[in-house]
Amino acid sequence: DIQMTQSPSSLSASVGDRVTITCRASQSISSHLNWYEQEPGKAPKLLIYVASSLQSGVPSRFSGSGSGTDFTLTINSLQPEDFVTYYCQQSYSTPHTFGQGTKLEIK
Amino acid sequence: QVQLVESGGGVVQPGRSLRLSCAASGFSFSNYVMHWVRQAPGKGLEWVAVIWHDGGNKYYADSVKGRFTISRDNSKNTLYLQMNSLRVEDTAVFYCAREIPSGSFSWFDPWGQGTLVTVSS
Repeated sequence: DIQMTQSPSSLSASVGDRVTITCRASQSISSHLNWYEQEPGKAPKLLIYVASSLQSGVPSRFSGSGSGTDFTLTINSLQPEDFVTYYCQQSYSTPHTFGQGTKLEIK
Repeated sequence: QVQLVESGGGVVQPGRSLRLSCAASGFSFSNYVMHWVRQAPGKGLEWVAVIWHDGGNKYYADSVKGRFTISRDNSKNTLYLQMNSLRVEDTAVFYCAREIPSGSFSWFDPWGQGTLVTVSS
């Protein structure tokens, strides 16, 4: 199985900051990498697919990059609603494993 | 609109069984691969199982293999997860999710709201 490692596991930032979350795959997955956000008590929601494509309706302050084994999710100008948990997921092979999550907290 | 609604969760004793359902609406259910993903309290997301659009192929996480069975009834637009020999460590919110394909790529969208399964004596 492909292991996905996210870092950091938690991150403190302020409204207006720019943050970057990284995700590393245990083997090359090309661009088969998706990002989801999850509010407490709610279902995950798709943010970015195929490493860098923004899901419809997602604000342009979100961006994704990377290929192979190393990927990043960048959020520019953090808004109050962005302080949730983010997960990466590889869809290169079954099982479609997730990273352990990154909780973004208000400083 | 596209919607997935899970049901069937509850409190069950270790060793017992439970069947989850996921009712799909707003799209051609029979055309899509479907997944179950779970989340233990305070933990991350764990992929559980997948079923091909026609039910012809099924795959499971090692943690549930031999105990859980994924199935679907395309005539009822419903996905199922039969869970047998439940363990305390199976306690989680279970989500169903639709897989969107694009060439060799895919992603999950949407997800259902989840149903909580609590395994406790």
